Order: sequence, then structure tokens, then C-alpha cells
Amino acid sequence: GAVVSQHPSRVICKSGTSVKIECRSLDFQATTMFWYRQFPKQSLMLMATSNEGSKATYEQGVEKDKFLINHASLTLSTLTVTSAHPEDSSFYICSATPGDPATNIEKLFFGSGTQLSVL
Amino acid sequence: AQSVTQLGSHVSVSEGALVLLRCNYSSSVPPYLFWYVQYPNQGLQLLLKYTTGATLVKGINGFEAEFKKSETSFHLTKPSAHMSDAAEYFCAVRDFGNEKLTFGTGTRLTIIP
Repeated sequence: GAVVSQHPSRVICKSGTSVKIECRSLDFQATTMFWYRQFPKQSLMLMATSNEGSKATYEQGVEKDKFLINHASLTLSTLTVTSAHPEDSSFYICSATPGDPATNIEKLFFGSGTQLSVL
Repeated sequence: AQSVTQLGSHVSVSEGALVLLRCNYSSSVPPYLFWYVQYPNQGLQLLLKYTTGATLVKGINGFEAEFKKSETSFHLTKPSAHMSDAAEYFCAVRDFGNEKLTFGTGTRLTIIP
């Protein structure tokens, strides 16, 4: 099946630094990618939707200047957590789809997630 | 806004026993319903889905789920648990024509030998 690679799987950083997380579709072109975050014992919360070549659409309450999303190619999207603080510590997951996500839900593939810990 | 409730963050069953993972949603209009499974160090995988038609849907690995509109539920079952079923299970919903998924908090399934 289709594979979405997310890297790194775990990252620890100091408060105030920036961290970049990569999400790659290995065997298909991802027209749309989604970024989620999950706090312990809570559900995955959609942060933003990105379409290749255009600006990401952020969910209400998500700071776009803090969580920079770049979807510059059909196989790569990046999430940069800028000036990270301990409250940003969370599990971040990406997903990608080759088609229209509204009609091709079966073709939504997830990365294995990144555990971010900010000290 | 949609919400999804998964009762029980941890469920333990003996190998060979029935698996029942509960999921309830909030929408008054039947949405699309999904179960995803996440094995350790892997991404979420689609287990099964309900869109329209037959309310009992079958998925991979012997799992099935039944959509019950009157109960706003979509519980996941498997008649006989296997050790390889140990994983995290997520219920999710999506409104028709909407690309966004709303997830439950997940249920960690442990299989007792």
C-alpha cells in the first residue's frame, strides 16, 4: 500500500528553538496533506490543511506564524514549530492523499507521527 | 461541531475472546464513519468505513462494525481476539462533502495470552 514517511519520529529541543518535521509521500503524489497534533489522552486534532503550491489553511485557534507549513512539492510537506515552548510538546501526525480528500477517504494515508518534547 | 466519544481508553481481552470497542458520534445527520488502527511505530491504517448502504460493514483482519442511527453508535467488534490485534484504535467521523476527519481519543487494545 501507499506509504507516507514522517521524520523525525522523536525530537527533543530547547525552548525557543525551531523544529522542522517532514512528511513525504513515497509512492504517490500528494495533492493534499493534513497536519494533526495529539495531546496525551486526547484525540487527534486537525491543525491545518495544505495543498501543493498554495498557502495552508489553518484551523481555528492554530497560530499560523508559529506552525509554519510548506507544501512546495507533490511529495513533501514540512511543519516547522517556531520558537518552541514546553506547551508545544505533543505528538504530531501528517496524512496525505493523492486525490480529492472529500471523495477519496480510502486514499488517505498517515505518517507514523513525531513526538516533540520541548525542554 | 462533530464530536466522537470512545468509551474506554484501555481495553483488555483474553486471546480468543470477543473484542468490543465502543464509538458514539454527535451528529444528527448520519456522517461517514471510520475505524483506524495504529500499530506501534506505524501510521494509522483504515480498518473499515461506513458511508451508505448496509449498516454492518466488514473490514480487514476479521473486524466489523455496525452503524446504528438510533443509538448514534458505530461499535467495532471481532469475534475472537488474536495477539496481533494489540494496537491503538481510533474512531473517526466526517460529514458528507467535508474533507475533514474528527477523531475520538483512541482505545488501546491489549490482548492477554
